[in-house]
Amino acid sequence: KQEVTQIPAALSVPEGENLVLNCSFTDSAIYNLQWFRQDPGKGLTSLLLIQSSQREQTSGRLNASLDKSSGRSTLYIAASQPGDSATYLCAPFKAAGNKLTFGGGTRVLVKP
Amino acid sequence: DTEVTQTPKHLVMGMTNKKSLKCEQHMGHRAMYWYKQKAKKPPELMFVYSYEKLSINESVPSRFSPECPNSSLLNLHLHALQPEDSALYLCASSQDPRQTSNTEAFFGQGTRLTVV
Repeated sequence: KQEVTQIPAALSVPEGENLVLNCSFTDSAIYNLQWFRQDPGKGLTSLLLIQSSQREQTSGRLNASLDKSSGRSTLYIAASQPGDSATYLCAPFKAAGNKLTFGGGTRVLVKP
Repeated sequence: DTEVTQTPKHLVMGMTNKKSLKCEQHMGHRAMYWYKQKAKKPPELMFVYSYEKLSINESVPSRFSPECPNSSLLNLHLHALQPEDSALYLCASSQDPRQTSNTEAFFGQGTRLTVV
């Protein structure tokens, strides 16, 4: 069974600092890994998808890395803004079973 | 268009009521999912439909009954729920149930369900 862990559980930074969010997973037989953002009481917004054959994926201020063999992914958010305050969830997509399994999330607060 | 639409946004129901949640997508996706999310917890998978057929049931109680009438629509029928079933119910879809590496899942905004 896939186990997904996100560290830290919560993060508070002043505006302008770079954010580093970590995700680890136990089963490396994945097709891809997605990073999502969730605002309180809302649905999930897909931020980045990184395929199992890729090491890195970038979108604007966001950069995600993937080391499939060691079961790790990292999301970097450059020059954080108060609007980046949200919960960030990682979800590896398992090869068998058509399943996304979510980590517990990192709750981010960016202070003006 | 990467939109997954869920209705209603909010639902309050009694323990003896029958209600349904609806999810719709027009992206031509052939995999659709129901997730349940309790407060301050990650989403947990309930059901997966692939090509309109139920492919995964994560041992969900029978008071939750999914239905996929066509490739664009997914329903979740609710009956005799308990207060502990109160949660955010999320629907998602993805393009190809054959699990290719560029399959991206898109989520709706959820239905906030309260059972009283």
